[in-house]
Amino acid sequence: GAVVSQHPSRVICKSGTSVKIECRSLDFQATTMFWYRQFPKQSLMLMATSNEGSKATYEQGVEKDKFLINHASLTLSTLTVTSAHPEDSSFYICSATGHHLAKNIQYFGAGTRLSVL
Amino acid sequence: SQQGEEDPQALSIQEGENATMNCSYKTSINNLQWYRQNSGRGLVHLILIRSNEREKHSGRLRVTLDTSKKSSSLLITASRAADTASYFCATDTSSNYKLTFGKGTLLTVNP
Repeated sequence: GAVVSQHPSRVICKSGTSVKIECRSLDFQATTMFWYRQFPKQSLMLMATSNEGSKATYEQGVEKDKFLINHASLTLSTLTVTSAHPEDSSFYICSATGHHLAKNIQYFGAGTRLSVL
Repeated sequence: SQQGEEDPQALSIQEGENATMNCSYKTSINNLQWYRQNSGRGLVHLILIRSNEREKHSGRLRVTLDTSKKSSSLLITASRAADTASYFCATDTSSNYKLTFGKGTLLTVNP
């Protein structure tokens, strides 16, 4: 149980385009979803926390107009990188916690590698 | 800010040997967790130890926590090539379930 699906796994786009990444909880209701960014051989940096039906809470230094997060249902959260530029190239990972699961443990998607040309 | 700092940054051992990774943190925690990440993939939860626990076991994993030194260690016994991955500690310091991850240890187990 507690499977999180993230799509797409890899995306290559031109500078200036927007990219949407989906994160779905397949077998549980995700009350909270987290979005992370990870640079090569580095740790995960939390970008934002989203609770179903409410606005996301962004970490300091993360532009909310640049990284739009929508958590419209208990099983889906999306991250849209707007007007992507080469410096946005990175590995983006989502995670979720949910009802009837250990609150402290996060279940991760497989990640999305974004390359902006 | 980075809460957890793992050492070593990289560890290379032979199959069958034990691997020990350490994590230090700076502030009081509710619990500490260890996660594993295979290259280019998401993270998988391994084990959680609460702030009032000192040691915990799960299969070939043994975790210790010393809150006075603000440090934890992860021991993997009888390592296998399939254990090759990056290992991160993560601390939970608040009530909103946010985790702060350390920089990770890249473990390579050679066949």
